[in-house]
Amino acid sequence: DVQMTQSPSNLAASPGESVSINCKASKSISKYLAWYQQKPGKANKLLIYSGSTLQSGTPSRFSGSGSGTDFTLTIRNLEPEDFGLYYCQQHNEYPWTFGGGTKLELK
Amino acid sequence: EVQLVESGGGLVKPGASLKLSCVASGFTFSDYWMSWVRQTPGKTMEWIGDIKYDGSYTNYAPSLKNRFTISRDNAKSTLYLQMSNVRSEDTATYYCTRGDGYSDVMDAWGQGASVTVSS
Repeated sequence: DVQMTQSPSNLAASPGESVSINCKASKSISKYLAWYQQKPGKANKLLIYSGSTLQSGTPSRFSGSGSGTDFTLTIRNLEPEDFGLYYCQQHNEYPWTFGGGTKLELK
Repeated sequence: EVQLVESGGGLVKPGASLKLSCVASGFTFSDYWMSWVRQTPGKTMEWIGDIKYDGSYTNYAPSLKNRFTISRDNAKSTLYLQMSNVRSEDTATYYCTRGDGYSDVMDAWGQGASVTVSS
């Protein structure tokens, strides 16, 4: 299985700031990395797939980059609704595997 | 609006069986691959497996394939997860998800069904 290591596990920031979350695969997954957002009381949301493709409805302040084993989710100009849990997931090979999650909290 | 609603969770004893259901609405269920994903109390997310749109093919996480079975009834727009010989480590919230039909990602999620395995 491809192991996904996400960092940091916790991140505190203020609205208006920019943050980055990293995800590292144990072997090359080409560009096939997705990012999801989880918020209490809401269904999990697909934000980005194939490394950098924004899912329909994802605000442009979100961006994804990387290929091979190293990927980054960047959120610019944080909005209050951006605080929550973020997961990366590789969709290159079965079994699909997730990172451990990053909790983005209000500073 | 795409909706996925899981049911069938609860408290179950170790060694027992449990079947979760997920009713889909707002899209043509029979056109999509569907998956189950679980999240432990410690927030670890684990993909369980998926099933082809016509039910003819399934994939599973190797660690779960001997105890978990995914099926579907397209006439009822319903996805199922049969869990057998459950263990304490199966305690989790179980999510039904829809495959996006193009990139093998999960573009819709249910709210989850909570399963607690305890004697």
